[in-house]
Amino acid sequence: AQRVTQPEKLLSVFKGAPVELKCNYSYSGSPELFWYVQYSRQRLQLLLRHISRESIKGFTADLNKGETSFHLKKPFAQEEDSAMYYCALSRGSTLGRLYFGRGTQLTVWP
Amino acid sequence: DAGVIQSPRHEVTEMGQEVTLRCKPISGHNSLFWYRQTMMRGLELLIYFNNNVPIDDSGMPEDRFSAKMPNASFSTLKIQPSEPRDSAVYFCASTPGQNTEAFFGQGTRLTVV
Repeated sequence: AQRVTQPEKLLSVFKGAPVELKCNYSYSGSPELFWYVQYSRQRLQLLLRHISRESIKGFTADLNKGETSFHLKKPFAQEEDSAMYYCALSRGSTLGRLYFGRGTQLTVWP
Repeated sequence: DAGVIQSPRHEVTEMGQEVTLRCKPISGHNSLFWYRQTMMRGLELLIYFNNNVPIDDSGMPEDRFSAKMPNASFSTLKIQPSEPRDSAVYFCASTPGQNTEAFFGQGTRLTVV
């Protein structure tokens, strides 16, 4: 079975501070990992996909297979980063078939 | 493109009534997914279609739930009869094919009283 765990339900930082949103997964195969973001009153949208290894809006995430983690990081948080962040896992090539973590609500204070 | 379109955005209904949620995927996308979001269980897949054919409905909670995709541009999720524990946000998502990420609609917030 597969499982995605986001241990922090809420996370608050001040503007300019580094931020790390934690995500751990369990799956015996080779998963695809994603971070989705939901800004207030907007739809879920893809932020990062591990296979693309790119930085979006200053965020990066590295897949650590040894620790089965896919933590999301940003060196200097901005107020506009305040949102709900979901880590998600896909088992195969059907990337819309996602297993989600419970989400972390990030608040960046001015 | 307006993205995945869901209607209605909000629905309040009485227990026992039939509820129909609608989804229009992005044009050209051939896979469609229905998710439900609750406080207790988070976001979980209910059912998904590929080329209008249901592929995996193992997440559909009960026989009261049914979903159809009569054509490539429209899908419905029906609950009959509805119960208060069905109150949740229901999301629809679509993808253009394999190895491509999902695009989500804005969701329908259902309240059953």
